[in-house]
Amino acid sequence: GNSVTQMEGPVTLSEEAFLTINCTYTATGYPSLFWYVQYPGEGLQLLLKATKADDKGSNKGFEATYRKETTSFHLEKGSVQVSDSAVYFCALRDFGNEKLTFGTGTRLTIIP
Amino acid sequence: NAGVTQTPKFRVLKTGQSMTLLCAQDMNHEYMYWYRQDPGMGLRLIHYSVGEGTTAKGEVPDGYNVSRLKKQNFLLGLESAAPSQTSVYFCASTGLAGVSYNEQFFGPGTRLTVL
Repeated sequence: GNSVTQMEGPVTLSEEAFLTINCTYTATGYPSLFWYVQYPGEGLQLLLKATKADDKGSNKGFEATYRKETTSFHLEKGSVQVSDSAVYFCALRDFGNEKLTFGTGTRLTIIP
Repeated sequence: NAGVTQTPKFRVLKTGQSMTLLCAQDMNHEYMYWYRQDPGMGLRLIHYSVGEGTTAKGEVPDGYNVSRLKKQNFLLGLESAAPSQTSVYFCASTGLAGVSYNEQFFGPGTRLTVL
């Protein structure tokens, strides 16, 4: 079956630091990959996505590249801000499957 | 557009009581989902629906029932609440076409406590 493994948190960084949150996946087909973000007290919202190998998703300074050879979709940002403090979820959706498979989430805290 | 809305936002139940959580979306989406979120476990799919009048079981369906009588609404029922059902419940929806194809839109969540 499908599964998503992401780095365990919590992660605490200083403002303007470089961020990497690791995500690897197992899928039976050719999945689309997603990063969702959950701000305190809110539902999840899509941050970025990639639908095929070597695609790069980007949004709000965050980037992630779909690496089929390493089955990875690591989230990166060059300079984090306090407002980036949230829980980040990696997820996949296999082709032809209407369901998402989520990782367990990584809580990120940015300190000024 | 309101997107995905959920009612109520908070609820406290006693063991054995029943309740229904309502999810509504105004985006004409075909697919709708109910998840529960527990600390350290991410989101787990309870039930989902691929269209009006259809429902299917997800990863953790026991103790829950659902109905999708109208395309825009997806109801989650707890017939006899148990403390293990204390969680935050999220509803989501997905369309089959357009720029947001393949994206799930989430509601703000319902925090349920079962004593």
